[in-house]
Amino acid sequence: DVKVTQSSRYLVKRTGEKVFLECVQDMDHENMFWYRQDPGLGLRLIYFSYDVKMKEKGDIPEGYSVSREKKERFSLILESASTNQTSMYLCASSRAWFTGNTIYFGEGSWLTVV
Amino acid sequence: GQQVMQIPQYQHVQEGEDFTTYCNSSTTLSNIQWYKQRPGGHPVFLIQLVKSGEVKKQKRLTFQFGEAKKNSSLHITATQTTDVGTYFCTQTGANNLFFGTGTRLTVIP
Repeated sequence: DVKVTQSSRYLVKRTGEKVFLECVQDMDHENMFWYRQDPGLGLRLIYFSYDVKMKEKGDIPEGYSVSREKKERFSLILESASTNQTSMYLCASSRAWFTGNTIYFGEGSWLTVV
Repeated sequence: GQQVMQIPQYQHVQEGEDFTTYCNSSTTLSNIQWYKQRPGGHPVFLIQLVKSGEVKKQKRLTFQFGEAKKNSSLHITATQTTDVGTYFCTQTGANNLFFGTGTRLTVIP
């Protein structure tokens, strides 16, 4: 079974803190993604990566950055956390693109910024 | 980027009633995938449709892909409390990475 593991399930951070959300997948997938999920807004793509050291902006990249130094690991960074970044963050992975690759999600990280 | 719109956003049904959610796109879709997210959980892949007019079934769930490949539906027959959750549709592939808002299903026992 594909496993996507997010290092932290619940975090509480202060405004202005730097926050790292780590994600690891064990299926040698080329693609990795970070989404945030908010009530009524569905899943919104923040960033994705299709290869090591490659990244592409998604729908809402502002206030976030990412790092992919190894194929299995994709980190989401909040340089200076703000209260409007309180959300549930989902990491996901999939094989390289051709029509219809299944996306596998991690369990999610609930971030509260106070 | 292209987006897939889902309706309704919320649906409450009595246990045993049927439920349908619809996905609509203004452009032709190369494929459609459906995911289910249980309350407090993460989205889990259900099925993929690729061919025009395709219909697939999983027990009480019936998935359809429109003839023009611009819409899709998920129909649940005789809902059970285990069907509770949010159902998402999406197209996957390069440059098509957007999920819709989903349809949140509540089943009243």
